[in-house]
Amino acid sequence: GENVEQHPSTLSVQEGDSAVIKCTYSDSASNYFPWYKQELGKRPQLIIDIRSNVGEKKDQRIAVTLNKTAKHFSLHITETQPEDSAVYFCAASTSGTYKYIFGTGTRLKVLA
Amino acid sequence: AAGVIQSPRHLIKEKRETATLKCYPIPRHDTVYWYQQGPGQDPQFLISFYEKMQSDKGSIPDRFSAQQFSDYHSELNMSSLELGDSALYFCASSPEMRDQETQYFGPGTRLLVL
Repeated sequence: GENVEQHPSTLSVQEGDSAVIKCTYSDSASNYFPWYKQELGKRPQLIIDIRSNVGEKKDQRIAVTLNKTAKHFSLHITETQPEDSAVYFCAASTSGTYKYIFGTGTRLKVLA
Repeated sequence: AAGVIQSPRHLIKEKRETATLKCYPIPRHDTVYWYQQGPGQDPQFLISFYEKMQSDKGSIPDRFSAQQFSDYHSELNMSSLELGDSALYFCASSPEMRDQETQYFGPGTRLLVL
């Protein structure tokens, strides 16, 4: 079945350093890849997304890259700040379906 | 801006009881999704509705049912509750999924089954 693998499960970085989270999807028909940030007990909030017709997208300190051939996509956060500490989920979706398949999450801790 | 509304925010039930969770999507959003998130887990897709019709189904137990009403709000009905049903239940909404639209999540309903 459809599956999204996410690594690492936990990540600690020093404030100001970069953080990279990677996801691999199994359904080659997947064509939409959002990233969500979730703080403890709160709702997932979209931080960036990318569609399959684009290889890279950037929004200030956050960027996402997509490699369709290898079926993986990555989240890059530069100049990390303590408020970036949260759980980050990648997800994949396919045209014609009405659901997301989420990765297992990465707990990011930014150390001041 | 208006967001997805879920009620109740917290719910405590006994085993074998029933529960009804409600979701009010963002205005002009016609697609609603339900997810279940256990402690330390990723959100698991349960079911979705587009224009009041079930559009996709995931790992939703037979004890659960859901529907979307004419005003686009949705209700998740859970019967014969089990301890393992304790989780955060999120509803999300999006405009019509023509070519993959962003899902906006509500604040969630925390269900505790004792």
